[in-house]
Amino acid sequence: KAGVTQTPRYLIKTRGQQVTLSCSPISGHRSVSWYQQTPGQGLQFLFEYFSETQRNKGNFPGRFSGRQFSNSRSEMNVSTLELGDSALYLCASSWAATLATDTQYFGPGTRLTVL
Amino acid sequence: AQSVTQLGSHVSVSEGALVLLRCNYSSSVPPYLFWYVQYPNQGLQLLLKYTSAATLVKGINGFEAEFKKSETSFHLTKPSAHMSDAAEYFCAVSVADSGGSNYKLTFGKGTLLTVNP
Repeated sequence: KAGVTQTPRYLIKTRGQQVTLSCSPISGHRSVSWYQQTPGQGLQFLFEYFSETQRNKGNFPGRFSGRQFSNSRSEMNVSTLELGDSALYLCASSWAATLATDTQYFGPGTRLTVL
Repeated sequence: AQSVTQLGSHVSVSEGALVLLRCNYSSSVPPYLFWYVQYPNQGLQLLLKYTSAATLVKGINGFEAEFKKSETSFHLTKPSAHMSDAAEYFCAVSVADSGGSNYKLTFGKGTLLTVNP
């Protein structure tokens, strides 16, 4: 079974631009979560989608948004990029994320650099 | 709020030595705990998880962790380190949203494990 895939793997943008990252979950998984990883803040939860609906959201500004399609693929968008948005963005999929013991499977991440 | 604390941002061991990575949790209810490993330029891979079925949890690559309620700990161990174990390790707790039905992971700051030949 194929794992979680994320595209692109690397991105370089300049301040003020916007960016869209893509995530394809493991086949059969309906929940997709996004995390931001930085050296200073570590791993932080952005949001989670299930059946095209955002069910859970972390403490990030409105510049960060996402969506999920009917095939469970998900995209996240960051508008008006700031230098501090430089990070590794990780996508994780799970069956439903309605059980505390659900395992989240992570993709390789997209490394975003903002200049 | 539920959280985890990893003691030691960097641990260095010799090849063949015991690996001990520390994780303490803060929770008023039984927590569900996970250990993940991240190799350079890769995503996170699940090593093991505690689901209350057994206090000693065995994972992949020879790792195991013991849930100790009295110490609020879930330390990760491996009897004999290999060079290939060099990576960053994250302890995480599954946290419910305000409605109590959807879960996210809250991670510790991570511990970088170095294995010396």
